[in-house]
This record gives sequence, structure tokens and C-alpha cells, in this order.
Amino acid sequence: DIQMTQSPSSLSASVGDRVTITCRASQSISRYLNWYQQKPGKAPKLLIYAASSLQSGVPSRFSGSGSGTDFTLTISSLQPEDFATYYCQQSYSTPPFTFGPGTKVDIK
Amino acid sequence: QVQLQESGPGLVKPSETLSLTCTISGGSISSYYWSWIRQPAGKGLEWIGRIYSSGSTNYNPSLKSRLTMSIDTSKNQFSLKLSSVTAADTAVYYCARGEIVEVPAAIRLYYYYYMDVWGKGTTVTVSS
Repeated sequence: DIQMTQSPSSLSASVGDRVTITCRASQSISRYLNWYQQKPGKAPKLLIYAASSLQSGVPSRFSGSGSGTDFTLTISSLQPEDFATYYCQQSYSTPPFTFGPGTKVDIK
Repeated sequence: QVQLQESGPGLVKPSETLSLTCTISGGSISSYYWSWIRQPAGKGLEWIGRIYSSGSTNYNPSLKSRLTMSIDTSKNQFSLKLSSVTAADTAVYYCARGEIVEVPAAIRLYYYYYMDVWGKGTTVTVSS
């Protein structure tokens, strides 16, 4: 199975900050990488697919980049509703489509 | 818009079979992948498996020996059965819709899979 790691595991930031979360795959996954946002007690929400394609309805302050093994999710100006946990997920080749362990973004 | 709703027992005894159903409303079950994902309390997400509207399945190898997924297109429902459960199977179980999108790049097309519609989740506890 392809293993996914994320860094940092948690971070504290202020409204208006630029936030960057990194995801790394244990082998090359081209651009088969999705990002999800999960708020406490809620289901995950798709933000980004194919490494950098913004899901419909997601604010443009969210962006994704990367290919191969290293990927980044960036929030250009953190808003109050963005405090949540973010997960990457690989969808390369054969399942299982593993998730990263998550990055919790909370208020500084 | 499309909505998913998980249903099933909230409590299952050890060694028994966990059975959940996901009902789709506001959209068709056809031509999509339908997945199950679970999340133990305070932990991360685990992809369990998926079933296509045709009935073909992909399972997580770590669960494959205990897992069965099925689909009923006439009822717009799909289901999960996980046998011989233990406390380690206690989690919130989510159902989700999976889609493959075609993205052009350079001279070829790439096909990317993601899960874009999720149910609210249902808590299943394994305990005697």
C-alpha cells in the first residue's frame, strides 16, 4: 500500500495568515492527490482533486500544488471558518486509496 | 442536490457482523462509485472500499477477508457487511460518492478519482 504522511500534524495560526500544509507519498503518485477538510463532528469535504483542481464551490483562497511524491495545500488568507483538520488522500492506481494522518489547524 | 444517509445498528457485539446501508436521494446511483470510509474517535480516516453501480468492487486488503459490499439500484442503496467484528472496528462510518473526472494535460487525458458527496456518518460501537 502507498503510505501518506503530512506535516505538520498541527499548527496554530491567526485569521489572515498564509498557511501551508505538506503531504508526502511513499512512492510517486503523479498528481493523483486529493485534499479534504473536516470540521469536528462533520463529514469530510472535498477541497482539491488532481493535486491542484479546485472543487466547485470551494473558495479560491485554497490552492494545491505538487506532483510525484510531494504536495502542498495552501490557504492564502486564513478565515475563521477554515479552522479544521485537513487530510490528503492518494487515488493512484489500485486501491486502497489511503489518507494522510491529518493536519489540525487551530486558532493562535 | 445529492444526499447520502447511513443507517444501521449503532451497537454490535464482538464476533458478529456489522451491517450498514447508505441511501442515496436527489440523484442517480448509476455511473458512480460508492464508498465506505471509517474514522475511530479522535483518529484519522480509513478507506474501507468501494462498489461501482455495475456491482464491481474494490476492497481495502486489510479488511478484505471480512468485507462484503453490495448495491441495490432499484432502491438507490448500497450496503456494507463487516464480519467477525472486534472493538477495533468501533468508529464513525461514512458513505460517500466517488467520481472519476477527465483532465486534459499536454497531449493526453488523465482520469482522477475523488469522493465529492458524503453522508453525515453513523457511529458504530462494538461491545458486548
